[in-house]
Amino acid sequence: DAGVTQSPTHLIKTRGQHVTLRCSPISGHKSVSWYQQVLGQGPQFIFQYYEKEERGRGNFPDRFSARQFPNYSSELNVNALLLGDSALYLCASSPWTVPNEQYFGPGTRLTVT
Amino acid sequence: GESVGLHLPTLSVQEGDNSIINCAYSNSASDYFIWYKQESGKGPQFIIDIRSNMDKRQGQRVTVLLNKTVKHLSLQIAATQPGDSAVYFCAERSGNQFYFGTGTSLTVIP
Repeated sequence: DAGVTQSPTHLIKTRGQHVTLRCSPISGHKSVSWYQQVLGQGPQFIFQYYEKEERGRGNFPDRFSARQFPNYSSELNVNALLLGDSALYLCASSPWTVPNEQYFGPGTRLTVT
Repeated sequence: GESVGLHLPTLSVQEGDNSIINCAYSNSASDYFIWYKQESGKGPQFIIDIRSNMDKRQGQRVTVLLNKTVKHLSLQIAATQPGDSAVYFCAERSGNQFYFGTGTSLTVIP
């Protein structure tokens, strides 16, 4: 069975631009979460979605937004990119009944120049 | 905000020895405490979790201990193998939010 997939793998953007990152969860998983991982640090929680609704939000500015589609895939959008947004963006899916067992994708490496 | 920290950033152990990775947390209201393993170039991988009303939980070769009095969490890995080399994160879950610590890099010496 396929794991969590994310696209693109790598991305280079310029300050002020907008970016959209995509995630496909494991089949049967209805919950998707997004994390930002800066080099040398632990993942920082951004959002959790379940059944297309936002169920949790971390301490990130409004430039960050996300949505979940009927097939449970998800997009993370970041507007007005800053240099500090350069990081590995991780997507994780989990069965709603076992939320701690998050399955992470390989991440999208975003570089803002 | 939440504060989840680790006592040691790096740990080296001999293959076959037991490993102990420690973590301090600050939020007494967290529902669960969770350990993840992250290998180079990959996303974190769930290892084991423990509910906040438990003191100990065992898995395959791993044991998690929770000391609520001193807000301390530890992960014990028995008979450490080269494949255990990775960065280990403790995380706490409060409602639908997860808070990860900085991580401990475990190196297993053959």
